[in-house]
Amino acid sequence: NAGVTQTPKFRILKIGQSMTLQCTQDMNHNYMYWYRQDPGMGLKLIYYSVGAGITDKGEVPNGYNVSRSTTEDFPLRLELAAPSQTSVYFCASRNDQQPQHFGDGTRLSIL
Amino acid sequence: AQSVTQPDIHITVSEGASLELRCNYSYGATPYLFWYVQSPGQGLQLLLKYFSGDTLVQGIKGFEAEFKRSQSSFNLRKPSVHWSDAAEYFCAVRGGSNYKLTFGKGTLLTVNP
Repeated sequence: NAGVTQTPKFRILKIGQSMTLQCTQDMNHNYMYWYRQDPGMGLKLIYYSVGAGITDKGEVPNGYNVSRSTTEDFPLRLELAAPSQTSVYFCASRNDQQPQHFGDGTRLSIL
Repeated sequence: AQSVTQPDIHITVSEGASLELRCNYSYGATPYLFWYVQSPGQGLQLLLKYFSGDTLVQGIKGFEAEFKRSQSSFNLRKPSVHWSDAAEYFCAVRGGSNYKLTFGKGTLLTVNP
């Protein structure tokens, strides 16, 4: 049982480039989340989804997009990378009455 | 709106000493409360959760936490700290009908030998 899998683990981007952070879960969870973690700031919610085909903005959605075409996958898209998006990104999933399970994170640097 | 405050940014304890990490939350009704631990370079691991019932909850690795409604607190405790407990600890809250989890800014725990 792999849980929540994030790829890639590390990535360096140039300003203006685009990329997709992948997240997949094999627990048949309805709810999925994307967070970013910056030093001393805890985790901030970027986007979340309550089921396939349904997504909504979190606290810090600007500069990001998501889609949820299947229950398993919840990719996060950066269209025009900016230095302010340098961060560690975590994907999480859960079902009703359950805590969130987290992936190991993607460490993204934008130079 | 829900919020979480972890008043201590950094705590240092000696191995074998007791530990208490503080967490205060803001939410209008009974919340769902969580403690997560994060080792360097790793994701977040759930230590324990409170949904309802007994206000003293037991978690993994010998941790426990007590929900005190009157103080809006959910402090994490361990009677004897091990060097492997050095990590960052996050308290989080979710309202019953809310999909979203709100995290505190974390407390970094250093354990001296």
